[in-house]
Amino acid sequence: SQELEQSPQSLIVQEGKNLTINCTSSKTLYGLYWYKQKYGEGLIFLMMLQKGGEEKSHEKITAKLDEKKQQSSLHITASQPSHAGIYLCGAENTGGFKTIFGAGTRLFVKA
Amino acid sequence: NAGVMQNPRHLVRRRGQEARLRCSPMKGHSHVYWYRQLPEEGLKFMVYLQKENIIDESGMPKERFSAEFPKEGPSILRIQQVVRGDSAAYFCASTQPGDYGYTFGSGTRLTVV
Repeated sequence: SQELEQSPQSLIVQEGKNLTINCTSSKTLYGLYWYKQKYGEGLIFLMMLQKGGEEKSHEKITAKLDEKKQQSSLHITASQPSHAGIYLCGAENTGGFKTIFGAGTRLFVKA
Repeated sequence: NAGVMQNPRHLVRRRGQEARLRCSPMKGHSHVYWYRQLPEEGLKFMVYLQKENIIDESGMPKERFSAEFPKEGPSILRIQQVVRGDSAAYFCASTQPGDYGYTFGSGTRLTVV
């Protein structure tokens, strides 16, 4: 079965700094999703990547899918306290209809 | 558009009691997914339902757990004879064919005492 590994598990950054979160799949990705979860709340869909080499941006968050479609990175530029939360990558499960998720990266932004 | 509504937000049950978690999908969405999030862990898929049908329940424990999505009304996740290990946040998500990504509810936090 497909597994997603996220790194780092947690991250503390100073406000204004850039950061990168990685998501590596054990199998080829056919659809890679990034979600953000505020502590104690539900998940908010950020973006979806499908094509090798694809890159998308939403405000100060940029996500990329590598050419081999087995790794994605999420980059936040000039982090703000509002960026704090848990970032989860998800992948469409091959042969199924469900999305499987990585364990998440907990981001803390120090003001 | 109210989004995905889950209730209750918090539920406390004693060991051996039943827990019922409700999920009203986003208007127009006919696909519902239930996930469980244990403390410090990621989301684990439990079940995928369409109206009156269970499509994939491969993530559901074989005993004590059941789910339904009736023709009318919300989707229900039922946990019978709860144990301490059932304490977790349970999230519901909905989507419709052709959508990218899910719309998640705010979750129900179940505590078994």
